[in-house]
Formats: sequence, C-alpha cells, structure tokens
Amino acid sequence: DQQVKQNSPSLSVQEGRISILNCDYTNSMFDYFLWYKKYPAEGPTFLISISSIKDKNEDGRFTVFLNKSAKHLSLHIVPSQPGDSAVYFCAATGDKLIFGTGTLLAVQP
Amino acid sequence: KAGVTQTPRYLIKTRGQQVTLSCSPISGHRSVSWYQQTPGQGLQFLFEYFSETQRNKGNFPGRFSGRQFSNSRSEMNVSTLELGDSALYLCASSLGQAQPNYNEQFFGPGTRLTVL
Repeated sequence: DQQVKQNSPSLSVQEGRISILNCDYTNSMFDYFLWYKKYPAEGPTFLISISSIKDKNEDGRFTVFLNKSAKHLSLHIVPSQPGDSAVYFCAATGDKLIFGTGTLLAVQP
Repeated sequence: KAGVTQTPRYLIKTRGQQVTLSCSPISGHRSVSWYQQTPGQGLQFLFEYFSETQRNKGNFPGRFSGRQFSNSRSEMNVSTLELGDSALYLCASSLGQAQPNYNEQFFGPGTRLTVL
C-alpha cells in the first residue's frame, strides 16, 4: 500500500523553463512533507519542506505547494538548470518518514 | 565535518547467506535510520536507532535487524538472503533529540547489495 505516490516516473524539460513534479498521498495524518534530490551513486539530499499548516514554501528557485484537501503536493523549479537533473523523491512524516517512488527529472540544455 | 559513510559500497551474496552492512553517522549525530531503495518501491523505511535503542521500525520481516553502538555507529543485518533483497541500502543520520529531524537528516551514499 503506497501511501505516497509519484505517478510520473520521469519528466523532461528545457533549460530555463519550469519543472513541476507532483506527489499524492493518502494518509491525512501526515503533518510534514519534504522533497529530496538524488544523484546517481549518492544518497538523497534534503531540498525543501513544508508543514501541513502551510500551503506554500519557497527557497530560491524551488517552491513547494501543498493542497491538503486534494492530498497533493508539488515542487516547482524555476528556472530549471541542467544541474537539476536528478531523481526527486517526495516524502511525508507521521511517526516515520514515508517516501514516494521518485521522478527522474532531465533538464535539456 | 565528514559525512555519513557506509561500508562496503558494493556487495554480492548468494541466496541463503547473511550480510552485515555498516553505517558511521556524522560526528555528534545520535539518530541513524536505514532505508531500502528498489526501482519499483522507492525508498522504504527499515528502522531507526537513537542512543543504542530501536526507536521506530518499518514493515520488514524479522530477517532484517539492526543495532547501534555507543559511538552511534550502526549495523544492519539481513539473514537468509532472498533474491528480492537486492537493493541499495541507505542510512541517514541526524541529531535526533525527540524524534529524527528530517530537515537535518543526511544520507550516506548507500551499499549496493546484489543477491544471486
């Protein structure tokens, strides 16, 4: 039973355009959401997070939006850069950290 | 400050064998969590240790076990290996305190386990 879902296994965008990565969850008890980025042969690194009491959090080129009624969050990257090419995982916390299956983002120069 | 280190980086075992993976957290970090990453399932939480005690556990069979030492280093053991145990095993450390601080959780590079 996948409580956190990333339905797009891959996404390709042009450099300079917006990348939008989506994530859906099923457990309404989740109270904190995070995005991680993972390069090959490295562990995931924390990118940005959002509390369930907020609907938006921004950090430079990265913005996370949370829609609690739809149980949906998204990560916007503007503008996208080739160095952003990586696998992006969303995650949610209740009593433990639950990850999605990841989306491979490819930013084309 | 040195990051999280995991040894070995690669491992090949055969079905039925057992394996022990090691994780050294960032100095001062007392919480160590373990995750299994597979292509179809993403990252799945195995367990978390804090001050030598297992504080939380995921939904894995009893073949998966772990422990933490007084210096916060942690080991994970998998007994009676199955083909499906082939995965990247990641550990992550954080200061811990009341519960893992996921904003400040740092991952190691992982151990790639292949079971033949």
